[in-house]
Amino acid sequence: AQSVTQLDSQVPVFEEAPVELRCNYSSSVSVYLFWYVQYPNQGLQLLLKYLSGSTLVKGINGFEAEFNKSQTSFHLRKPSVHISDTAEYFCAVSRFTGGGNKLTFGTGTQLKVEL
Amino acid sequence: DTGVSQDPRHKITKRGQNVTFRCDPISEHNRLYWYRQTLGQGPEFLTYFQNEAQLEKSRLLSDRFSAERPKGSFSTLEIQRTEQGDSAMYLCASSESTGEANYEQYFGPGTRLTVT
Repeated sequence: AQSVTQLDSQVPVFEEAPVELRCNYSSSVSVYLFWYVQYPNQGLQLLLKYLSGSTLVKGINGFEAEFNKSQTSFHLRKPSVHISDTAEYFCAVSRFTGGGNKLTFGTGTQLKVEL
Repeated sequence: DTGVSQDPRHKITKRGQNVTFRCDPISEHNRLYWYRQTLGQGPEFLTYFQNEAQLEKSRLLSDRFSAERPKGSFSTLEIQRTEQGDSAMYLCASSESTGEANYEQYFGPGTRLTVT
């Protein structure tokens, strides 16, 4: 079974500053990795995904993440945040089963962007 | 396409009552997933369908829970004899089943259940 750890439950940051949200995973097999964002009272929106290939993945809204197999990490970064980036961010993992893509989520990181 | 929709958005029920939620996926998506999200936690997988077939169920899905997708389009999730521990946000997601699109799940806004 796989699991995801998001060590930071809250990350405060000033507008236009860079931010990194950390995600570590554990799995005995190859995995696929995802970052989702959840705005208040809304469902989750896919920011980016890593399936294979280049370890640096670019997503929507200026976010990017780097897959590091040796450190089993998939940290999310943005060089300059905006007030509208305030939301809950979830890292998730799945593995190839030949069937459905069952996601295992971390507990989330609340990003709070301040003026 | 309007995306994944869920109904109702909020449901308050008394302990012991039965509740049913509906999910309408994106029309061309043949995979449909249900997740449960409790306060301060990430979503947890409950079950998924490929067309009308329910292919996997989590151990979280006790015998009080049942899900259906009778014609391979919308799905319902029923909880019988609700308990206070069932209070959560119930999320539905859908995806295609081929290629990279298989890995892109689109989530609905969720149904927030409160059991009093």
